[in-house]
Formats: sequence, C-alpha cells, structure tokens
Amino acid sequence: EIVMTQSPATLSVSPGERATLSCRASQSIHTDLAWYQQKPGQTPRLLIYGASARATGIPARFSASGSGTEFTLTISSLQSEDFAVYYCQQYNGWPPELTFGGGTRVDI
Amino acid sequence: QVQLVQSRAEVKKIGASLNVSCKASGYTFTGYGISWVRQAPGQGLEWMGWISPHKGISANTNYAQKFQGRVTMTTDTSTSTAYLEVKSLRVDDTAVYYCARGGLELDHWGQGTLVTVSS
Repeated sequence: EIVMTQSPATLSVSPGERATLSCRASQSIHTDLAWYQQKPGQTPRLLIYGASARATGIPARFSASGSGTEFTLTISSLQSEDFAVYYCQQYNGWPPELTFGGGTRVDI
Repeated sequence: QVQLVQSRAEVKKIGASLNVSCKASGYTFTGYGISWVRQAPGQGLEWMGWISPHKGISANTNYAQKFQGRVTMTTDTSTSTAYLEVKSLRVDDTAVYYCARGGLELDHWGQGTLVTVSS
C-alpha cells in the first residue's frame, strides 16, 4: 500500500496570507495525485488532479505542483472560505487502489 | 448536472450488516467507476474500494485490503445505482459513508450516509 503523509497537521494563517501544504508518497506515484478541500459538515470537493490541474470551477489562487514522491498545494491569498481541511490522495496503479493523506487543517 | 444521492442515515447493532445505496444521475453511469470512502467522526478519509459498472473491463471491483471479505460492492445499471454492503459491523465502523464518481480522482461525491453502530 502506498502511504501518503501530509504536513503540517495544522497550519495557522491569516486572511490574505499564502499557505503551503505538503504531501509525500511512500513511493513514486508520478503525477497521480489529487487534492480535496473539506469544510466542516460538508462533503469533500475536488480541487486538483494530475498533481497540478485545477478541477472545474476552482479559483486560480489554488495551485499545485510536484511529481514522484513530493507534492505541494499552495493557496496564494487565503480567503475566509478557504479555512478547511485539505487532503491529498494518490491513484497510481490499476485496478484502482487509492489512499488518502491524513489531512492538513488550515486555521485562522 | 452530475448527482449522487445516497440512502438515509442508519443505526445498526454490532454484528449486523449495512447496505448503502448511491443513485447516480446526470451522466452515463456505465462510463465511470464508483468509489466508496468513509470518514469516522473527527477523522480523515478512508478509501474502501471501487467498482466499475462497465462489465466489459477485466477488473470490475477492487477492495482495500482492510475490508476484503467483509465488503461487497455492486451496481444496478438499470437504475444507475451503486450499492455498498458491509458485514459483521463493529463499533469502529461508525462513520459517514460516501460514494464518489471515479477510480482515479473523485470528481463528484454523494452527500454521505451516517451509519452508527452500537450495542
């Protein structure tokens, strides 16, 4: 099983600041990585797929990069609605065997 | 628009079985797999497995090792509905169970079904 490790567990930032979240895979997953946002009481929302492609309707302040085992999600200027938990998820291989990271909570 | 509508919340006894449904609309059901993901209270997301409604492909289901033998995923293409069965429920199966479209990135999610397991 590919293990996904996210850091930090909690990130405290102020509105307007930049947030950088990290995700590491236990083995190379090329660019088979997605990022999700989950607000309290809501379902997860796909932000990024293919390690760097924004999903439909996702604002340009969300960007992501990485390949192999190291990945980054950046929120360029935090808005109040961006405070949430962010998960990375790998989907390398067939048939699908997905794994999620433990999440990073972005707090004020 | 794409919608995944799940069955309502349930309370189950230890040892019982759970059945959750996920009715899809707004897209061609056989064109995408369905993944099941659960989230225990206050915890992260845990992938349970994947099923493809397209009978023609070689790998129709794949379950996370943790759930093999206890989980069954099925689909009914006539009603565009996916089903999750979990047997021999334990207290630590208490969670919100989600269906989501896809077996790679998961681009649309059901609203979740809260399952509470108690003695």
